[in-house]
Amino acid sequence: QVQLQESGPGLVKPSETLSLTCAVSGYSISSGSYWGWIRQPPGKGLEWIGSIFHSGNTDYNPSLKSRVTVSVDTSKNQFSLRLTSVTAADTAVYYCARTGHGSGRFFDYWGQGTPVTVSS
Amino acid sequence: QSVLTQPPSVSAAPGQKVTISCSGSSSNIGNNYVSWYQQLPGTAPKLLIYDNNKRPSGIPDRFSGSKSGTSATLGITGLQTGDEADYYCGTWDSSLSAYVFGTGTRVTVL
Repeated sequence: QVQLQESGPGLVKPSETLSLTCAVSGYSISSGSYWGWIRQPPGKGLEWIGSIFHSGNTDYNPSLKSRVTVSVDTSKNQFSLRLTSVTAADTAVYYCARTGHGSGRFFDYWGQGTPVTVSS
Repeated sequence: QSVLTQPPSVSAAPGQKVTISCSGSSSNIGNNYVSWYQQLPGTAPKLLIYDNNKRPSGIPDRFSGSKSGTSATLGITGLQTGDEADYYCGTWDSSLSAYVFGTGTRVTVL
């Protein structure tokens, strides 16, 4: 069974960098698939942040692209998110997820989510 | 604001059927596959439907998906109290080069 677990600070100061890691178990990242980050502000809907292929190819949400970096560490079977210059608008629950194998893009396995608050 | 529009809420009695629409455009639904997610209160989203109408293993056939033109629909039959949740559609948008989610629909079992 594929499992994903997010980890990182729950509180980040404005203008600083948010860094999260997603540890994957039950599946080798090197085997393939895109691995993504999605966030959900309090009381709001889902927003895709970006995805990375095991080879390192990335796709980012154009609205966040200038501030986002997603990277992968196949030796640790994990991938990471960096979001720079954060503001209160970046307060959200952050989820990591795997893109499933099908004709289109979809997220078949999700982490439980980690809440991040941006506040001084 | 999302490029995929869903009704804010739908409701029905136990055992009844509900449908949730997801309206987009040719750059997203019209030319890409649609997926649907269920988010129970306080939990992570769960994949219900992928590639327009396929169900992952373990998802009951009470849940169904369809697509026509630039719109997609999720159907839930035999509604149960455990189906009370938020439901989101999602797809790739070729113009934005981004994965987009719908605005979300809250299902209430009366």
